[in-house]
Amino acid sequence: AQKVTQAQTEISVVEKEDVTLDCVYETRDTTYYLFWYKQPPSGELVFLIRRNSFDEQNEISGRYSWNFQKSTSSFNFTITASQVVDSAVYFCALSAPHTGNQFYFGTGTSLTVIP
Amino acid sequence: EAGVVQSPRYKIIEKKQPVAFWCNPISGHNTLYWYLQNLGQGPELLIRYENEEAVDDSQLPKDRFSAERLKGVDSTLKIQPAELGDSAVYLCASSLARGTEFPGELFFGEGSRLTVL
Repeated sequence: AQKVTQAQTEISVVEKEDVTLDCVYETRDTTYYLFWYKQPPSGELVFLIRRNSFDEQNEISGRYSWNFQKSTSSFNFTITASQVVDSAVYFCALSAPHTGNQFYFGTGTSLTVIP
Repeated sequence: EAGVVQSPRYKIIEKKQPVAFWCNPISGHNTLYWYLQNLGQGPELLIRYENEEAVDDSQLPKDRFSAERLKGVDSTLKIQPAELGDSAVYLCASSLARGTEFPGELFFGEGSRLTVL
C-alpha cells in the first residue's frame, strides 16, 4: 500500500526564518516518484519538484531545497529565508508506475509566514 | 499556454439537487483526473481518464457520481442527487504521461467548490 504522512498540520514562522516541512512515505515498490505541490489560497496546486527513487541527490532551487533519504523514507522540504508569499498549504505526494501512476497525497502542511 | 480550466468556481445547492462540473485540460494532455479535496485533506482520486477511456474509477461512488470525457478532451463530473457530505472542492488535473509511463507532473485547475445545504 502507498501512503504519505505529513505530521505537521500547521506551521507559523516569522519572515526570513528557515522552515522545514516533513514528509514520510510508505511503499513496497522499488520504483516510485515523490512530489511536492504548493496550494496557495487561490486553490490551484502548483508543482514544485519530482524525484525518482533511484536519485537520492539533494536538490536546491533558489530558496527551496529537498532532502530525500530512502533509509528513513523521508522527502523533506526546506524553505530558506521564508517570505510572506510562501504562505500556502504544501502537499507531498507519491506515485508508482505499477499502480498506474495514481498519486497519493499527504494531508498537507499549512505554512503561515508572518511579516 | 492556457492551464487547466474548471467551472464553476463556486456552486451552492440544496441537498438532493443535481450538480455538474466542467473541466478543460491543457491541450495535448491525454490523461485527465478528477480529485476530491475535503477541508484540511489532500486530494483523493475519483476517476482517471486516458483519452476518452476511464482507466481507474474504483474510487468513484457510482450510485450518485458519474463522469464522462467525450472525444478525449473536455470532461464533466456530475453528482445526482447531491448529499450534505459532498460539500468539498472538486479538482481537475491533466498530465502528458499515461498508464505506466514515467509519471509526469499533474497540472491542476483552481477547483470547483461545492456547498450542499
